[in-house]
Amino acid sequence: EVQLVESGGGLVQPGGYLRLSCVASGFTFSNYWMNWVRQAPGKGLVWVSRIDSDGSNTRYADSVKGRFTISRDNAKNTLYLQMNSLRGEDTAVYHCTRQNFFDYWGQGTPVTVSS
Amino acid sequence: DIVMTQSPDSLAVSLGERATINCKSSQTILSTSSSKNYLAWFQQKPGQPPNLLIYWASTRESGVPDRFSGSGSGTDFTLTISSLQAEDVAVYYCQQYYSAPYTFGQGTKLEIK
Repeated sequence: EVQLVESGGGLVQPGGYLRLSCVASGFTFSNYWMNWVRQAPGKGLVWVSRIDSDGSNTRYADSVKGRFTISRDNAKNTLYLQMNSLRGEDTAVYHCTRQNFFDYWGQGTPVTVSS
Repeated sequence: DIVMTQSPDSLAVSLGERATINCKSSQTILSTSSSKNYLAWFQQKPGQPPNLLIYWASTRESGVPDRFSGSGSGTDFTLTISSLQAEDVAVYYCQQYYSAPYTFGQGTKLEIK
């Protein structure tokens, strides 16, 4: 059974940082591109970032470019999102999702940026 | 960036009736090399992550009831629920995966009339 389990969210002050993790199981993690998608409270889905299967190619939404870094450790079946210089508008639930038509999603980890 | 626009924003349909949601992309998401439309539909219920319903604009994901169907090509797409069931109450999103950023529509809230 495919599972994606995110962790690392929490309450952080503006300008602070967090590192999100997503542990994958039930499939060959190293074969798939992976994404982060976020959803602010009561709002729609927003794509954040993508990484290819070996980590050599990444893409970011303009809203997070230069502040967020996506990475992966295929030996640990884990996807990461390093989030720096956090702003109030980054408050959201962050989901990791497999890029096979975005067919599997984790439950998400909530991030709140507030003083 | 490709902008995805859904219509309507909300929709109320009687049980057993047809529900139709439209999605328009700001540029074509039809690949000439593969002849495939890079368009997916998702269903999201409160407190849950999105659930993939349709990909390649019209291919139903495994396990999705056949009352859900997708159609369209190029820039105009439609999700149809042929006979609305109570469990179909949700927000529906279209998404293009033709090119990053992989943009979503704003969502359509589907309710029972």
